Order: sequence, then C-alpha cells, then structure tokens
Amino acid sequence: EADIYQTPRYLVIGTGKKITLECSQTMGHDKMYWYQQDPGMELHLIHYSYGVNSTEKGDLSSESTVSRIRTEHFPLTLESARPSHTSQYLCASSEYPPRGTDTQYFGPGTRLTVL
Amino acid sequence: GQQLNQSPQSMFIQEGEDVSMNCTSSSIFNTWLWYKQDPGEGPVLLIALYKAGELTSNGRLTAQFGITRKDSFLNISASIPSDVGIYFCAGQLRGSQGNLIFGKGTKLSVKP
Repeated sequence: EADIYQTPRYLVIGTGKKITLECSQTMGHDKMYWYQQDPGMELHLIHYSYGVNSTEKGDLSSESTVSRIRTEHFPLTLESARPSHTSQYLCASSEYPPRGTDTQYFGPGTRLTVL
Repeated sequence: GQQLNQSPQSMFIQEGEDVSMNCTSSSIFNTWLWYKQDPGEGPVLLIALYKAGELTSNGRLTAQFGITRKDSFLNISASIPSDVGIYFCAGQLRGSQGNLIFGKGTKLSVKP
C-alpha cells in the first residue's frame, strides 16, 4: 500500500489567489512527480524531482512551481491562480535510481477549481 | 516524444463478461505497469511486469509483457460493477532511467 498523501483533497479558490498544494510520502522515495489531469483524461507530467534541491520541468508547460527541501515533501505552488488552472493535480513518488523500474505510487489527488 | 497507443479508448460491457485491453509502441520497453483510477482518486498500481514474456495475475486480473517488448495487455475476467474506472498502462523505455510514459487510458463501464 502506497503511503503518499495530498492536501487539500478539494480546493475552490478565486482568481489571483496564491495556493500551495501539499504532497508528502513516507516511503523514503527519492524521486517525486506532479501530474495534471483533466477528468477522465490522460496524465500530463508537469514537474519532477530526483531528490532534495532537485526540480525539473515535465512534458507539459505549467505556470506552477515546486520545491524540494525535504525528501518526503514536494509542494506545488501557483502564485496567481486562474480559471485555466482548474484541474486535478496528482503527486507520485518512486525509488531512484530505479531498482529495475520507475514504478510510481500515486497520492489521492487535489481537485482544484479556480473561479 | 515517445507514445503508447492504448486501446480501446472505452468499453461498455455486461457484468460477468471478460475484458481485454492493450498498449503498443514502436519502441522497446523494459517495464510495463498497469494502473486503475477511480473517479476523483489517484491511479492505483494493479500489476507490474519486468521481463519479456512475463505473465502475472492479481486476482481476476492478468497482464502480460509482450515477447517483442513493445506491447502489453491486461485481461479482467468475470467483470463486476466495481471494475468500473479508467485503466492506464505505463512503460519505461529500455536503457532509460527516465520517467514513465503513460497511455491515454481505457474507460471501462460495466452494466449490472
């Protein structure tokens, strides 16, 4: 069972607000990821990290930023939320270097709605 | 970039029927993973495959890593209403320590 947590689960916020989505894992995984997903659609990788002080941009350009100060924590921040940011945000983690696999374990997601 | 072709895109089946879905690519993979996502939740890992030809079961689910290393399939036997959801395949390219590549998902609906 994956021990990866995301808060809040749901967030409704007005345009222009700054928000931070939290993600924590207790598996000791070095690599962590953020995906953006519209309902019923494919997953888009927006950020990932190989470990502390490492952040990389994913395949889909995003106005969000991430930080990795602690191994277990990988928060995502939007400085000024807009309706176009409305989506589900999924956090995941995996071991790195991969012990034969990049098997990722996902959190439950944060459903963000920007009015 | 690299792509996985996952099919079918959606399926509507009767409870009790068997289900089959697959992912194919023009590239060679060293890992295939199958996830299930319920509405409003994150994907949950169902089966992981690490060797060509490997056949692995998890209850009513069976998945295989294709011999060519370019494809994988997932079968669900005797479907039940709680099988409803979106199933994603994901793979890691051979020789790569890069990120997983995900298929676009198969949406499964089960009629009682």
